[in-house]
Amino acid sequence: GAVVSQHPSRVICKSGTSVKIECRSLDFQATTMFWYRQFPKQSLMLMATSNEGSKATYEQGVEKDKFLINHASLTLSTLTVTSAHPEDSSFYICSAHGSTAGYTQYFGPGTRLTVL
Amino acid sequence: KQEVTQIPAALSVPEGENLVLNCSFTDSAIYNLQWFRQDPGKGLTSLLLIQSSQREQTSGRLNASLDKSSGRSTLYIAASQPGDSATYLCAVYRDDKIIFGKGTRLHILP
Repeated sequence: GAVVSQHPSRVICKSGTSVKIECRSLDFQATTMFWYRQFPKQSLMLMATSNEGSKATYEQGVEKDKFLINHASLTLSTLTVTSAHPEDSSFYICSAHGSTAGYTQYFGPGTRLTVL
Repeated sequence: KQEVTQIPAALSVPEGENLVLNCSFTDSAIYNLQWFRQDPGKGLTSLLLIQSSQREQTSGRLNASLDKSSGRSTLYIAASQPGDSATYLCAVYRDDKIIFGKGTRLHILP
């Protein structure tokens, strides 16, 4: 149990376009979802925390207007990278936890974004 | 501010050896500590989760220990195999967030 999926697994886009990444909890209700970014050979850095039905809380230094997060249901959160630029190229990973799972987070497989 | 440090940053050992990866954290008020494995270009695979009331967890050839008072955790890998080559990440839970270390890149030499 406690499976989290992400779609797409890999995306290449042109500079200036917007890209949407989906994160789904497949077999549990995710009251809270998290979005991380990982640059090559670096660790995961938390970008934002989203609770179902409310606005996301962004970490310091993360532009909320650039990284739009929507958590409209208990099984789906989306991250939209708006007006993407090459420096946004990174590995984006989501995680989720539900009310019955305590604080344990379950991670998605990640999405590789490449902006040309 | 919680900081998580992993030592060493990289490690190469011959196949068959036992090895220890180290993780330290600055704030002992954590809920859980979790070890992950990450293969190049891939997501995270959870290896072991130690709850704050526990001192260790074991799974197969892996054993993780937790000493909250000293802010340390170790991941012990017995009889290492080439398939163990990966980056190992230590992560601590504080409130509703996870803080990751930078990882140890492990290379097992055949």
